[in-house]
Amino acid sequence: AQSVTQLDSQVPVFEEAPVELRCNYSSSVSVYLFWYVQYPNQGLQLLLKYLSGSTLVESINGFEAEFNKSQTSFHLRKPSVHISDTAEYFCAVSLSGGYQKVTFGTGTKLQVIP
Amino acid sequence: EAGVAQSPRYKIIEKRQSVAFWCNPISGHATLYWYQQILGQGPKLLIQFQNNGVVDDSQLPKDRFSAERLKGVDSTLKIQPAKLEDSAVYLCASSPVQGAETQYFGPGTRLLVL
Repeated sequence: AQSVTQLDSQVPVFEEAPVELRCNYSSSVSVYLFWYVQYPNQGLQLLLKYLSGSTLVESINGFEAEFNKSQTSFHLRKPSVHISDTAEYFCAVSLSGGYQKVTFGTGTKLQVIP
Repeated sequence: EAGVAQSPRYKIIEKRQSVAFWCNPISGHATLYWYQQILGQGPKLLIQFQNNGVVDDSQLPKDRFSAERLKGVDSTLKIQPAKLEDSAVYLCASSPVQGAETQYFGPGTRLLVL
């Protein structure tokens, strides 16, 4: 079965500084990888996903993640964070193909400090 | 396009009582999921429906939890009787036929069992 590990439970960072949220996965077969974001008192929203093709995927609000098969990682990065990026970020993995079970990590709380 | 709707948003009950949560997925979405998110943890899949059939309920505590999706549209999750450890946010999500790997989440129902 697939699993995902988010090593950092909380990441404080100053506004306009860069940030990296780490995610490692475990699977013996081909996977899809996701980052979801959860703002306070809201449900999860898809931030970006890797299905196949280019290993670098981007979101519309400046985040990017790179699929690294050799290191089984899918770290999330942003070169300059904004106060509005304060939220909890969840890495998730599923087997490739539709309607597969998605396994979520424990989440990383990003706290942007003004 | 309306999002995934859930009700109630908040519920407080005493242990051994019963509770039910309702979810209406995005129109046309064939797959519906119920997740349990305990404070400080990532969402854990309880049950996955494809239309009105169950695809995966391996992590559903069937002695006290039940779920149904009559007519393949909205769904109800019930807990009877509730335990203290059932305190969590219950998230409903749905995914379309095209792009089934992406899940769209509702705002969740926050349950507190006293």
